Amino acid sequence: EAEVAQSPRYKITEKSQAVAFWCDPISGHATLYWYRQILGQGPELLVQFQDESVVDDSQLPKDRFSAERLKGVDSTLKIQPAELGDSAMYLCASSFLQGKDEQYFGPGTRLTVT
Amino acid sequence: QQQVKQSPQSLIVQKGGISIINCAYENTAFDYFPWYQQFPGKGPALLIAIRPDVSEKKEGRFTISFNKSAKQFSLHIMDSQPGDSATYFCAASDDKIIFGKGTRLHILP
Repeated sequence: EAEVAQSPRYKITEKSQAVAFWCDPISGHATLYWYRQILGQGPELLVQFQDESVVDDSQLPKDRFSAERLKGVDSTLKIQPAELGDSAMYLCASSFLQGKDEQYFGPGTRLTVT
Repeated sequence: QQQVKQSPQSLIVQKGGISIINCAYENTAFDYFPWYQQFPGKGPALLIAIRPDVSEKKEGRFTISFNKSAKQFSLHIMDSQPGDSATYFCAASDDKIIFGKGTRLHILP
């Protein structure tokens, strides 16, 4: 069964350092999402890609976060510099279509900033 | 502004009982209402979804009830089993999906 792959699964970093997460969506899925999930809360959308184009990054803190999907396949989310408040689970999801289509989530990257 | 309000935050149900989780939304433009199930250490997975042209959708032991006029929808899990113990998220979408804060469900064996 096809799955969304994410790495690393866990990351511990010191504040002010740079950190990057990688996501490989299900093959053929044109839409890719990055979410942040704080413990005890639901996922919050950070950025949405349609192929290689950003269609929504309204909730992405652009002073420190960046995301790219250069070839419209896999994607990287970067934080520089990391802050203590960035500690969370970062989830990647993909779907065949935008909007009202089932999103398939990866296992996430648990980030701890010390 | 929280657009999807979910309750309760946590729920304990006896095995074989009915688990009920409720959600309310504000944006009348929402037209797709999925429920996701998340186990510890895993990403959420779609459980069941409904569109506002129907008032109820059933898949196995899981049923969504939808009340468009009240802007509320709920998940019912019949004959709840210990394997159903997980966190459940309701969500609502127009072009962007908004998740509720989640309900941690524990089924007592």
